[in-house]
Amino acid sequence: GQQVMQIPQYQHVQEGEDFTTYCNSSTTLSNIQWYKQRPGGHPVFLIQLVKSGEVKKQKRLTFQFGEAKKNSSLHITATQTTDVGTYFCAGPRDNTDKLIFGTGTRLQVFP
Amino acid sequence: GAVVSQHPSWVICKSGTSVKIECRSLDFQATTMFWYRQFPKQSLMLMATSNEGSKATYEQGVEKDKFLINHASLTLSTLTVTSAHPEDSSFYICSARDLGLMQYFGPGTRLTVL
Repeated sequence: GQQVMQIPQYQHVQEGEDFTTYCNSSTTLSNIQWYKQRPGGHPVFLIQLVKSGEVKKQKRLTFQFGEAKKNSSLHITATQTTDVGTYFCAGPRDNTDKLIFGTGTRLQVFP
Repeated sequence: GAVVSQHPSWVICKSGTSVKIECRSLDFQATTMFWYRQFPKQSLMLMATSNEGSKATYEQGVEKDKFLINHASLTLSTLTVTSAHPEDSSFYICSARDLGLMQYFGPGTRLTVL
């Protein structure tokens, strides 16, 4: 069945370092969404990418959707302790309105 | 912005009892709501799709008789975990979909079954 994998599973960085998480789908996605989940919290929507090769920025966060619409990345520049959490990508499952979530990347930032 | 609430935020119950979790869309109508389950350090797994006025559709491997879903109105869906057991302990999260097909997530309910 359809799978959405993320690497790395965990990442520990020193505050100020950059961070990137990669999302890979086994199938082509019509769109990709990114969520952030703080420890003990619920997923919070960050952004949606729709177009092939699309790049969007939100302050220190840069999101990219691959040309083949099967992969995506989230890059954080100069991480801060407030960036701590698990980052999930998600896309439509089998072209339905249901979401399939990636495996997630847990980010820890040391001050 | 769209707000989804869940109640309760956490619950502890004895094995064998039933627990009801409510999911409400506060400022929009949601014909479709989704129920997810998340075990510690794992991703969200879709359990079922709740459709207003009709039966819920369950994902493979999710027992419909154990996880009863009722979507009685355009702003409320409930999930009842019947005869809960310790292995049902998890973080249950709902989402509500608006007319623009965006999903908004509730804050989650942490269930602990003793």
